[in-house]
Amino acid sequence: KNQVEQSPQSLIILEGKNCTLQCNYTVSPFSNLRWYKQDTGRGPVSLTIMTFSENTKSNGRYTATLDADTKQSSLHITASQLSDSASYICVVFRILFSGGYNKLIFGAGTRLAVHP
Amino acid sequence: KAGVTQTPRYLIKTRGQQVTLSCSPISGHRSVSWYQQTPGQGLQFLFEYFSETQRNKGNFPGRFSGRQFSNSRSEMNVSTLELGDSALYLCASSWGLANYEQYFGPGTRLTVT
Repeated sequence: KNQVEQSPQSLIILEGKNCTLQCNYTVSPFSNLRWYKQDTGRGPVSLTIMTFSENTKSNGRYTATLDADTKQSSLHITASQLSDSASYICVVFRILFSGGYNKLIFGAGTRLAVHP
Repeated sequence: KAGVTQTPRYLIKTRGQQVTLSCSPISGHRSVSWYQQTPGQGLQFLFEYFSETQRNKGNFPGRFSGRQFSNSRSEMNVSTLELGDSALYLCASSWGLANYEQYFGPGTRLTVT
């Protein structure tokens, strides 16, 4: 079954600390993996898109890693800020070459709270 | 460049009614996707349109339909509304399909009573 699982479900950290969010997937065939940040009441904003050949990709204080062999990804946030408080969603794109519909499969998200 | 816009932002409907939501993509983007987000189910993919044709479809009943116009603007229609359709409906646009980055709009909050 094609699934995306994220951990932890929620996380509280102090401002200035680092944290790592996890994403495990069983999606096949795999096309790319995306991390989104969603502030409360707003639409998601893309942080990174990674294909199977990419191991690491950074976007400012956000660094995503991908291990396509173990089907695991992580999002590392460095020197957290209060504005990092949001939900972080891992999404895997499943592409079908033999017809049928391609599909985005979403994780449930990790809710991060950064406290002063 | 203006972002993705969605109208209306908030909507209250009664069970059994139908509703139409609108999405205007970023200028130059030809793909529009629709998503439903609820606290219990998270984000779920509804469908994707590219050049006025539906290219991808999620696992939603036929009550959910959409279309895309020649200017890439898209509409989503939900007929015979149910209480469980209460959700945030998000639209995202991208230049192309598959590996292209998506940009989300602010969403339409639909409440069904």
